Amino acid sequence: AQSVTQLDSHVSVSEGTPVLLRCNYSSSYSPSLFWYVQHPNKGLQLLLKYTSAATLVKGINGFEAEFKKSETSFHLTKPSAHMSDAAEYFCVVSDRVGGFKTIFGAGTRLFVKA
Amino acid sequence: GAGVSQSPSNKVTEKGKDVELRCDPISGHTALYWYRQSLGQGLEFLIYFQGNSAPDKSGLPSDRFSAERTGGSVSTLTIQRTQQEDSAVYLCASSLDDGRGYNEQFFGPGTRLTVL
Repeated sequence: AQSVTQLDSHVSVSEGTPVLLRCNYSSSYSPSLFWYVQHPNKGLQLLLKYTSAATLVKGINGFEAEFKKSETSFHLTKPSAHMSDAAEYFCVVSDRVGGFKTIFGAGTRLFVKA
Repeated sequence: GAGVSQSPSNKVTEKGKDVELRCDPISGHTALYWYRQSLGQGLEFLIYFQGNSAPDKSGLPSDRFSAERTGGSVSTLTIQRTQQEDSAVYLCASSLDDGRGYNEQFFGPGTRLTVL
């Protein structure tokens, strides 16, 4: 069965320092993996996606994520945090085994301190 | 072009009443999804429509929940005999489905449902 675990419910960083948001997944097939961001009072927006091509995926706003099959991880990183990065981030797994399923992680709230 | 739209943006209802939530997907998107986001929680998958195929209803939490998609476009999520635990933001998304779930989902702004 599919599942997604976001290992941290909250992450706090200082502006200009690196960001690491952790995500582990389980899937019985070759999944698609996504990161979405939700800013306060705004809709969900796709940051990046992995679809079995390159394992290092670059997204918008300087974010990237690396698919590591051996570790079943898809951690989101950014070299230098900006105040505007403060938001809720969701890791998502999607596959079609047993019917189409999209599973969202519980989310990680990122705080950025000046 | 227009994004995914949902109406109403807010709905307050009394326990036991029925509610209908509407979603207008992006034109040409064959896949449509409904999710529920409770306060402080992640998104809970409810139902998925793809073209003319039978919908995947596996995420609907009870038989009080149902959804339709007419003409492959507009969708309505209906909750009968609402309960307080149904209070949440209901999100709709659409995508160009390539049959593998690889495509980006575009989300609407959501409908905030409050059951008193």
